[in-house]
Amino acid sequence: AQSVTQPDIHITVSEGASLELRCNYSYGATPYLFWYVQSPGQGLQLLLKYFSGDTLVQGIKGFEAEFKRSQSSFNLRKPSVHWSDAAEYFCAVGAEDNNDMRFGAGTRLTVKP
Amino acid sequence: DVKVTQSSRYLVKRTGEKVFLECVQDMDHENMFWYRQDPGLGLRLIYFSYDVKMKEKGDIPEGYSVSREKKERFSLILESASTNQTSMYLCASSPQRLAESSYEQYFGPGTRLTVT
Repeated sequence: AQSVTQPDIHITVSEGASLELRCNYSYGATPYLFWYVQSPGQGLQLLLKYFSGDTLVQGIKGFEAEFKRSQSSFNLRKPSVHWSDAAEYFCAVGAEDNNDMRFGAGTRLTVKP
Repeated sequence: DVKVTQSSRYLVKRTGEKVFLECVQDMDHENMFWYRQDPGLGLRLIYFSYDVKMKEKGDIPEGYSVSREKKERFSLILESASTNQTSMYLCASSPQRLAESSYEQYFGPGTRLTVT
């Protein structure tokens, strides 16, 4: 089965600074990759997704992610972080032959003023 | 907008009680999922369902069962609650099995269950 690792449990960045959250996956074939965000007290919301094609995908709220097959990675980036981006971020991987996804442990983002 | 609702935001139960967590979605989605979320472990899949009266075990089904009698409703049942089932429970739904859209899961706000 597919699996995901998010190496960073907690990251703190200053408002206006750039952000990169790491995600590594394990899956034998082409993975389907996702980033979700969970604001305090809320359910998860999809930020962006990758199925095939262009390896740089754009999402909502100014986020983007790049699929790198050679590194088994799908890192999330944002050029300038806003205080409202403070949340927990989850990377997830799906497979083409089933509909159940596997989520990483999450990275909590703190934004300093 | 797709809406996934869960019957309770907070629930406190005693060890040994039978607990029902209800989830309802209003977009006629085929697929429904139950996860539990624990710090440092992320979301772990308990059970999922691709259709009415169908259910599949996820990664951690022990101690849980599910019921899907109607397409819009997916219930998680803790037959005899234990303290190690204290957690946040998230329900999700998605449309059309094995289409690209089926991978976009819509989540409810979660139920924080405490078992004492």
